[in-house]
Amino acid sequence: NAGVTQTPKFQVLKTGQSMTLQCAQDMNHEYMSWYRQDPGMGLRLIHYSVGAGITDQGEVPNGYNVSRSTTEDFPLRLLSAAPSQTSVYFCASSYYVNTEAFFGQGTRLTVV
Amino acid sequence: GQQVMQIPQYQHVQEGEDFTTYCNSSTTLSNIQWYKQRPGGHPVFLIQLVKSGEVKKQKRLTFQFGEAKKNSSLHITATQTTDVGTYFCAGQDNAGNNRKLIWGLGTSLAVNP
Repeated sequence: NAGVTQTPKFQVLKTGQSMTLQCAQDMNHEYMSWYRQDPGMGLRLIHYSVGAGITDQGEVPNGYNVSRSTTEDFPLRLLSAAPSQTSVYFCASSYYVNTEAFFGQGTRLTVV
Repeated sequence: GQQVMQIPQYQHVQEGEDFTTYCNSSTTLSNIQWYKQRPGGHPVFLIQLVKSGEVKKQKRLTFQFGEAKKNSSLHITATQTTDVGTYFCAGQDNAGNNRKLIWGLGTSLAVNP
């Protein structure tokens, strides 16, 4: 039982490049979300999804896109990377928003 | 907007001392969750509180949910070095957009052996 799998674990991008952070869960969870974590800022919600085909914006969505074509996968796309997007990114999944959330191992992204 | 304030931001204790972190919401919450994140790790679920005035215990950890469901606390008795990490609370708003959690900024706990 893999839980929540996030790839890659580390990534360095140049300003302006695009990339996709992958997130997959095998627990048949309906609710999935992406957070970024910066020192002193806690976990800030980027986008979330309450089920396949449904996504919505969190508190810091600018510069990021998501899609949820299947229950299992919830990729996060950086459209044109900026140094301000240097952060640690976590994907999480749960049955519903108010049930235990399982987090991936995180992706440490540096934009130079 | 909806906010969950978490205090203190940092706490440094000697091993064996007690520790408490508090979360205060500007709105009534339908439930609140607590997570622990070890340095370099990812958040791990500890517990969820749902009922007004609820108290739950996990070994040396005691969790409380206020009567008005606007505040919560986590108390650790006799801290150990394994308690080191950042503790987050996350609440679900009882009204408005209740499809996302509102997170506190976390309390980082350091324990001197």
